[in-house]
Amino acid sequence: DQQVKQNSPSLSVQEGRISILNCDYTNSMFDYFLWYKKYPAEGPTFLISISSIKDKNEDGRFTVFLNKSAKHLSLHIVPSQPGDSAVYFCAASDLIQGAQKLVFGQGTRLTINP
Amino acid sequence: NAGVTQTPKFRVLKTGQSMTLLCAQDMNHEYMYWYRQDPGMGLRLIHYSVGEGTTAKGEVPDGYNVSRLKKQNFLLGLESAAPSQTSVYFCASSQGSAYNEQFFGPGTRLTVL
Repeated sequence: DQQVKQNSPSLSVQEGRISILNCDYTNSMFDYFLWYKKYPAEGPTFLISISSIKDKNEDGRFTVFLNKSAKHLSLHIVPSQPGDSAVYFCAASDLIQGAQKLVFGQGTRLTINP
Repeated sequence: NAGVTQTPKFRVLKTGQSMTLLCAQDMNHEYMYWYRQDPGMGLRLIHYSVGEGTTAKGEVPDGYNVSRLKKQNFLLGLESAAPSQTSVYFCASSQGSAYNEQFFGPGTRLTVL
């Protein structure tokens, strides 16, 4: 039973255009959501996060939107740049014994074409 | 700061062999985590630690043991490796509990034949 789903395994976008990556979750107890970016042969790096009390968080070219009623979040990258080509993971946080247990989606491979 | 480092980077084992993966962090973080990543799947939590001397099970703990004898180190052990444990293993650490990002190491690619 996958609690966090990224239904698009891959996405191809023209440089300069907007990239939109989507993520759905099933557990309404999740209260914090994060996006990580991963290059080949490297560990994931944190990109942006959002608390469940907000519906939008923006950081430069990156914006995350949260729709709690639909249990859906999305990451917008604008404008897209070649260096944005990577695998993007959505993660939801579930606190257990004070520790942040992250539940990850399967990832979406984003390719930015020149 | 080196951040989170993992040793070794690659390893090939035969079924039944044992090994220990080492994770070290120099950020004085309380919380440390071990994940595995398999093709087509996201990262899954194996074990985690909320402080020195503590460990707890995550989502997929079977076949693994962990120890946190020092705050900066978190060890993941495979006592009798199985082909199903072929995966990429990532260690992570974080400062606090809620609303803090986890910092990940570069990963260890393990193949069990």
